[in-house]
Amino acid sequence: DADVTQTPRNRITKTGKRIMLECSQTKGHDRMYWYRQDPGLGLQLIYYSFDVKDINKGEISDGYSVSRQAQAKFSLSLESAIPNQTALYFCATSLTGYNEQFFGPGTRLTVL
Amino acid sequence: TQLLEQSPQFLSIQEGENLTVYCNSSSVFSSLQWYRQEPGEGPVLLVTVVTGGEVKKLKRLTFQFGDARKDSSLHITAAQPGDTGLYLCAVNSGGSNYKLTFGKGTLLTVNP
Repeated sequence: DADVTQTPRNRITKTGKRIMLECSQTKGHDRMYWYRQDPGLGLQLIYYSFDVKDINKGEISDGYSVSRQAQAKFSLSLESAIPNQTALYFCATSLTGYNEQFFGPGTRLTVL
Repeated sequence: TQLLEQSPQFLSIQEGENLTVYCNSSSVFSSLQWYRQEPGEGPVLLVTVVTGGEVKKLKRLTFQFGDARKDSSLHITAAQPGDTGLYLCAVNSGGSNYKLTFGKGTLLTVNP
């Protein structure tokens, strides 16, 4: 089945470390997104990309960077992780012209 | 100010009961989506409503879009433990960019 996958699923790291979260999709979608989910705060958009050369900041991009290596791959980096970046991170995809987004299973990140 | 207000934030009921959750805003939207997120998974689209006053049914779930297209409700009849999850509403906040903004969600627990 066409799918959205995220690696790793769980990660524990220390303050100041560089972390990369990876997302791959086989849906053939052109648009990809990174969200952060905290209890009681819903889903907040970090970055989004409409194609390989089009990357945009979302609501909470500070402290994060992204790379769209190919249409199917979108990575999220935390250059120097801090404890308040502890959260669930979701990657999502969509097709231009359609509102529906398809989400990956998430990465649970803990920064000590 | 939150674009979308969802209520209640938490709901715990017994199997077989009926329930309604709400998604409200002061803004008018061209469409609104409902997603369900089960524990340990990413959100999955349940329905998109487009027309003011529209009612859509998905088995025991009934979705309604307000006449003024500012609010929506989700009614579940005879809830089952499998309905447990976080119910999120979302709207396109980016115009032709199809960027979604999510509400904070209603966390539903259906006890056997």
